[in-house]
Amino acid sequence: DARVTQTPRHKVTEMGQEVTMRCQPILGHNTVFWYRQTMMQGLELLAYFRNRAPLDDSGMPKDRFSAEMPDATLATLKIQPSEPRDSAVYFCASASYGPQHFGDGTRLSIL
Amino acid sequence: AQTVTQSQPEMSVQEAETVTLSCTYDTSESDYYLFWYKQPPSRQMILVIRQEAYKQQNATENRFSVNFQKAAKSFSLKISDSQLGDAAMYFCAYRRSGATNKLIFGTGTLLAVQP
Repeated sequence: DARVTQTPRHKVTEMGQEVTMRCQPILGHNTVFWYRQTMMQGLELLAYFRNRAPLDDSGMPKDRFSAEMPDATLATLKIQPSEPRDSAVYFCASASYGPQHFGDGTRLSIL
Repeated sequence: AQTVTQSQPEMSVQEAETVTLSCTYDTSESDYYLFWYKQPPSRQMILVIRQEAYKQQNATENRFSVNFQKAAKSFSLKISDSQLGDAAMYFCAYRRSGATNKLIFGTGTLLAVQP
């Protein structure tokens, strides 16, 4: 079965460090989403791309977060500098004509 | 703006029994999709079932079925013959028509299954 692949699965780092999370969408899917899951806010959309072009990044703190799709097989989400409040699970999902398929998420802990 | 509300933070069911999880939503759109996702402790997000708003017939997937009431904006999930493996967080989600639109999630219902 085709799957969305996210790396790393876990990341622990100190406040102020740069964090990069990667996502490989399912081949042929033209839309990639980044969601963040926290206890307080639940699941919320950070940004998404269609055909590699950013469509909506209004859920993302612009001063420290950036999302890119350098090519159709890779999406990245960067945090610089990271803060303890960024600790969460970050999900990538991809879609084409059907429902969104989620990766297993990156659990990020900022100390 | 569209919203999704799950009013039951936690539910419990005995193995082999039936349980219903509630979800309501608010939208001014007429064409949309509704989903139930399951998130077990492994934190995967697994699609359980989906419903197209233009279809009057309720969706079913094996032991999982929905009660879709469009006028009432209600979308409940019924799990029949509950199994221990059904224990998980369940999220209701809304999406405007178009597969490449974002999902809007409810806050989730944690389902426990008692042996």
